[in-house]
Amino acid sequence: SQELEQSPQSLIVQEGKNLTINCTSSKTLYGLYWYKQKYGEGLIFLMMLQKGGEEKSHEKITAKLDEKKQQSSLHITASQPSHAGIYLCGAGGGGQNFVFGPGTRLSVLP
Amino acid sequence: DTAVSQTPKYLVTQMGNDKSIKCEQNLGHDTMYWYKQDSKKFLKIMFSYNNKELIINETVPNRFSPKSPDKAHLNLHINSLELGDSAVYFCASSQGVNSPLHFGNGTRLTVT
Repeated sequence: SQELEQSPQSLIVQEGKNLTINCTSSKTLYGLYWYKQKYGEGLIFLMMLQKGGEEKSHEKITAKLDEKKQQSSLHITASQPSHAGIYLCGAGGGGQNFVFGPGTRLSVLP
Repeated sequence: DTAVSQTPKYLVTQMGNDKSIKCEQNLGHDTMYWYKQDSKKFLKIMFSYNNKELIINETVPNRFSPKSPDKAHLNLHINSLELGDSAVYFCASSQGVNSPLHFGNGTRLTVT
């Protein structure tokens, strides 16, 4: 079955700094999804990537999928306290069960 | 309007009891899921239903039984609760298996 790894496991940054979270798959991805989770809440869908080399942006968050479709990165520019939470990558589709990475816990210090 | 809603939000119960968690989605999605998030925040799929039919049943004790009375509802019934069942359970839905999942806010189950 497909497995996803994320790095780093946790991240503490000063407000205003840029940061990157990585997600690596053991198999070629059909679809790669990024979610954010705040404590005590459900997962909020951020972005979905399906094509090799694809890049999408929403406000200050940019996600990329590499050409081989086995690695994705999530980049946050000029981080704010509102960006704090757990970021999870998920993969599924194309007949594969939907699975999640272990998550990256982000703290942003004001 | 809440897209995916699950109740209760918190559930504290003793070992050996039977409990249910309800989930409803008003997105018109065909597929619904149950996920379990353990203390390390790792999310694992438990079940998936498509149009009221079970399509994924991961290695879950048969004490856990999902029930889908209609396309908009997927309830989770747990028999003979054990300490290790303590976790946060998330319901989710999607429009087909190639679309993003939309999650409820979770039910925190504590078994004492």
